[in-house]
Amino acid sequence: EVQLVESGGGLVQPGRSLKLSCAASGFTFSNYYMAWVRQAPKKGLEWVATISTSGSRTYYPDSVKGRFTISRDNAKSSLYLQMNSLKSEDTATYYCARKILWVSYYFDYWGQGVMVTVSS
Amino acid sequence: DIQMTQSPASLSASLGETVSIECLASEGISNDLAWYQQKSGKSPQLLIYAASRLQDGVPSRFSGSGSGTRYSLKISGMQPEDEADYFCQQSYKYPPTFGAGTKLELK
Repeated sequence: EVQLVESGGGLVQPGRSLKLSCAASGFTFSNYYMAWVRQAPKKGLEWVATISTSGSRTYYPDSVKGRFTISRDNAKSSLYLQMNSLKSEDTATYYCARKILWVSYYFDYWGQGVMVTVSS
Repeated sequence: DIQMTQSPASLSASLGETVSIECLASEGISNDLAWYQQKSGKSPQLLIYAASRLQDGVPSRFSGSGSGTRYSLKISGMQPEDEADYFCQQSYKYPPTFGAGTKLELK
């Protein structure tokens, strides 16, 4: 059974940093692109970052580029999101998600999510 | 970025009723569209991809259709467990973008 379990969320002040982790199991982690997708309270979904199978390629939307860094450790089947210079608008539930094996950017498994609150 | 506009924002349906949710892309996306279901307090689940392909394990009462800029999700026979938020997502152009969601309630 595919499982994705996020951790590391919490309350953080604006301008500070936080690192999220996602532990994957039930599939060959190194074969899949992985991503982070967030959802602000009572809002829609926003793609945040994607990383290639080896970790050599990463992709971000303009809203987080330069502040967030996605990484992975295939030996540990783990995904990470380093978030720096956090802003109030980064407040959201962050989901770790597996990208399907197709070329397309669809996400076929999601973690339960971890809440990040940016507030003074 | 491609904008995805969903309608309606919310609707309620009776048990067994057929429901349709629309998604309009700001430009053609060549059937590169997915639908997700998100139940209250849960993470999203992939229902349909490539506009009309049913994800494994999804009940056959769910179906997707459309072309160009207009796409729809149909639920043929509303069930209590279908009460949820539904989101469309385009994958045609980077960055992938989502619709704002449709809240479906059981009447």
